[in-house]
Amino acid sequence: GNSVTQMEGPVTLSEEAFLTINCTYTATGYPSLFWYVQYPGEGLQLLLKATKADDKGSNKGFEATYRKETTSFHLEKGSVQVSDSAVYFCALTRSGSARQLTFGSGTQLTVLP
Amino acid sequence: EPEVTQTPSHQVTQMGQEVILRCVPISNHLYFYWYRQILGQKVEFLVSFYNNEISEKSEIFDDQFSVERPDGSNFTLKIRSTKLEDSAMYFCASSEVAGLAYEQYFGPGTRLTVT
Repeated sequence: GNSVTQMEGPVTLSEEAFLTINCTYTATGYPSLFWYVQYPGEGLQLLLKATKADDKGSNKGFEATYRKETTSFHLEKGSVQVSDSAVYFCALTRSGSARQLTFGSGTQLTVLP
Repeated sequence: EPEVTQTPSHQVTQMGQEVILRCVPISNHLYFYWYRQILGQKVEFLVSFYNNEISEKSEIFDDQFSVERPDGSNFTLKIRSTKLEDSAMYFCASSEVAGLAYEQYFGPGTRLTVT
């Protein structure tokens, strides 16, 4: 079946540090890949997406590249801010079932000033 | 900016009771979803709904669960006879269309506690 494996958290970084949150997936066909973010007390918000191999999604300084050869979609940001503190979820939809997202377990990020 | 809203934010109910969770999707969206997250576990898909019928459901979505769009704005999830293991955060989502690249917009969730 389809699954998403995310780096275990929590992750604590100092402001301006480099961030990587690892995400690997297992899926049949050609899934689309997403990163969602959940700020305290809010719903999940789409951060970025990639729909085919070698696509790079980017938003708010975050980037992730769809790597089919390593079945990965790692999230990176060069310089994190305190306001980036949130829970980050990697997710996929697969061809043939575009109506359901399969999520990873989420990674709690705390950025200290 | 349009957003998905959910009520209540927290619901406490006794085992065996019926509970209805309410959602107001974004007004021009056509596809609606429920997900849940048991504390410490992954967010899991429950059901998707389009054109007044279920389009996909997971194994979790058994006969105890039902969904309805009773009017032009609300989308509800009913649990007929709650169990302790139904305690979770329930997220509603909606999307304009259902396709691989289309964003699902999520509400803030309803925390259901079954005692």
